[in-house]
Amino acid sequence: GDSVTQMEGPVTLSEEAFLTINCTYTATGYPSLFWYVQYPGEGLQLLLKATKADDKGSNKGFEATYRKETTSFHLEKGSVQVSDSAVYFCALISPETSGSRLTFGEGTQLTVNP
Amino acid sequence: KAGVTQTPRYLIKTRGQQVTLSCSPISGHRSVSWYQQTPGQGLQFLFEYFSETQRNKGNFPGRFSGRQFSNSRSEMNVSTLELGDSALYLCASSTDWAEQYFGPGTRLTVT
Repeated sequence: GDSVTQMEGPVTLSEEAFLTINCTYTATGYPSLFWYVQYPGEGLQLLLKATKADDKGSNKGFEATYRKETTSFHLEKGSVQVSDSAVYFCALISPETSGSRLTFGEGTQLTVNP
Repeated sequence: KAGVTQTPRYLIKTRGQQVTLSCSPISGHRSVSWYQQTPGQGLQFLFEYFSETQRNKGNFPGRFSGRQFSNSRSEMNVSTLELGDSALYLCASSTDWAEQYFGPGTRLTVT
């Protein structure tokens, strides 16, 4: 079945540091890939998405590129801020195998210190 | 445009009771999905409704059920509550086969 694997966390960075959160996936067909962010006490917010190979999703300084050859969708940001502290989830939808079901990774807790 | 709303935000129930959670999707969205979030199991898919029909279902026992109304609002019901049902229940809405937008969740505590 479909699966998503994220880098083990938590991740702690200083403000203005470079961020990478690794995400790899296993899926049949051509999944769409997403990054969601969850702030304390809140639901999930869609951060960015990519629907086909080599697409780059971007939003609020975050970027991720859909790499079919390495089945990866790593999240990057050039300079993190304290306000970026949250839990980040990589996810996929693979309509051919699981319809509209989102399959999530384990989540990565990011803490940014001033 | 208003986002996804969920009510209530917090619930405390006793083992053996049943509970109903409500979700109002973004206007125009016909698909509503439910997810359970726990520290141990992470985010798990419960079911999806589209145009009042259950279109997809996860691996949860029959105690978990749902429905969708003609205005796309959805309810989720859990009967015979167990301690392990304590979780954050998230509802998400979307247009067909598109990205899903989540509500703030309902925090259910079973004592």
